[in-house]
Amino acid sequence: DGGITQSPKYLFRKEGQNVTLSCEQNLNHDAMYWYRQDPGQGLRLIYYSQIVNDFQKGDIAEGYSVSREKKESFPLTVTSAQKNPTAFYLCASSKASGGDDEQFFGPGTRLTVL
Amino acid sequence: RKEVEQDPGPFNVPEGATVAFNCTYSNSASQSFFWYRQDCRKEPKLLMSVYSSGNEDGRFTAQLNRASQYISLLIRDSKLSDSATYLCVVNRWKFYFGSGTKLNVKP
Repeated sequence: DGGITQSPKYLFRKEGQNVTLSCEQNLNHDAMYWYRQDPGQGLRLIYYSQIVNDFQKGDIAEGYSVSREKKESFPLTVTSAQKNPTAFYLCASSKASGGDDEQFFGPGTRLTVL
Repeated sequence: RKEVEQDPGPFNVPEGATVAFNCTYSNSASQSFFWYRQDCRKEPKLLMSVYSSGNEDGRFTAQLNRASQYISLLIRDSKLSDSATYLCVVNRWKFYFGSGTKLNVKP
């Protein structure tokens, strides 16, 4: 089945630690995205990538980093510089970043900083 | 001004009711439009794309008014299973999400 997988589903982190969230897609999509969602809030864009080896900052990139070495993979690192990292993190992909194509989402990772 | 604005609700309606959600977007260059559904603690899932001519999928009807920069979603004969948050999404090289409208369908 084609889709997007994220791991882990739940992640607990101590303050001061960096953690990396995995996102893999087998939809052959060019564009991939990371969003953050806080309770009762909308989605906020962290980073996006339109093509391999290229990515752009979204609205709330501070304290996060990404890489796009392969078309199917777009891992997100939450660094210790992120002041309030506890949130629900969603990865998405689309055929391209413009046009009529919709986004498909992975099941998300819930990160809790202890 | 936010790119996409929605009434957060909640909309509390009885089973069988008809309910309508509205959404406005700020940039007239927006290219494509969608409604997503998000259940509690789950990822958003595409409900339907929204076309200029309007489109229908069973009990759901979506409309787009480009002149007024306005999108709507109509749900007829509401079911308990329709309870969720409905996200209005606009694509203009990036995807812009509204903060969602919560729907509670009561027995």
